[in-house]
Amino acid sequence: DVVLTQTPPTLSATIGQSVSISCRSSQSLLHSNGNTYLNWLLQRPGQPPQLLIYLVSRLESGVPNRFSGSGSGTDFTLKISGVEAEDLGVYYCVQSTHAPYTFGAGTKLELK
Amino acid sequence: VQLVESGGGLVQPGKSLKLSCSASGFTFSSYGMHWIRQAPGKGLDWVAYISSSSGTVYADAVKGRFTISRDNAKNTLYLQLNSLKSEDTAIYYCARRGVPREFAYWGQGTLVTVSS
Repeated sequence: DVVLTQTPPTLSATIGQSVSISCRSSQSLLHSNGNTYLNWLLQRPGQPPQLLIYLVSRLESGVPNRFSGSGSGTDFTLKISGVEAEDLGVYYCVQSTHAPYTFGAGTKLELK
Repeated sequence: VQLVESGGGLVQPGKSLKLSCSASGFTFSSYGMHWIRQAPGKGLDWVAYISSSSGTVYADAVKGRFTISRDNAKNTLYLQLNSLKSEDTAIYYCARRGVPREFAYWGQGTLVTVSS
């Protein structure tokens, strides 16, 4: 199974600070069809997760453009350019290139 | 798109439970569906997937114990949980497949507690 390793496990930030989260895969997430099925989700306390980024870098409708995704192959990054209070929660990367699908362990973003 | 899970509750180890996910707002029969779970205070754990043509995939941790199924006439997804263990205690979410917007739609979840 594909293992996704997220770092750091916890991130402390001030409002307005830019932060990055890394997601490294144990094998390439490039599908034979040329797409890379790596998504980023945010789970706020007491809520189901919400999709932020799909196909590595595509912004989900309604998600602020301070969120951006990048990467290829096995190394991926989520960047938040100017953290806002509503961004606090746990961020997960998830891959759907290889079955069984797998999630990273999560990165908790909290206020410093 | 709306997904509403039900059927969770307190169950003894070794017993069974059947979860349901009622779907609306889209053509249910055209989409694959997932079950994902989250143990208390833990991360997300993918459980099972069923395609629009009812092909299935399971996580190793539940293979042989859980069964995912669907009833397109009722717009409902199911997860049959057998031989339950304490480590199966979790909130169980259903989510709609989307290509490429995988995991764009989630239900609110239903809590399963396995305890004697």
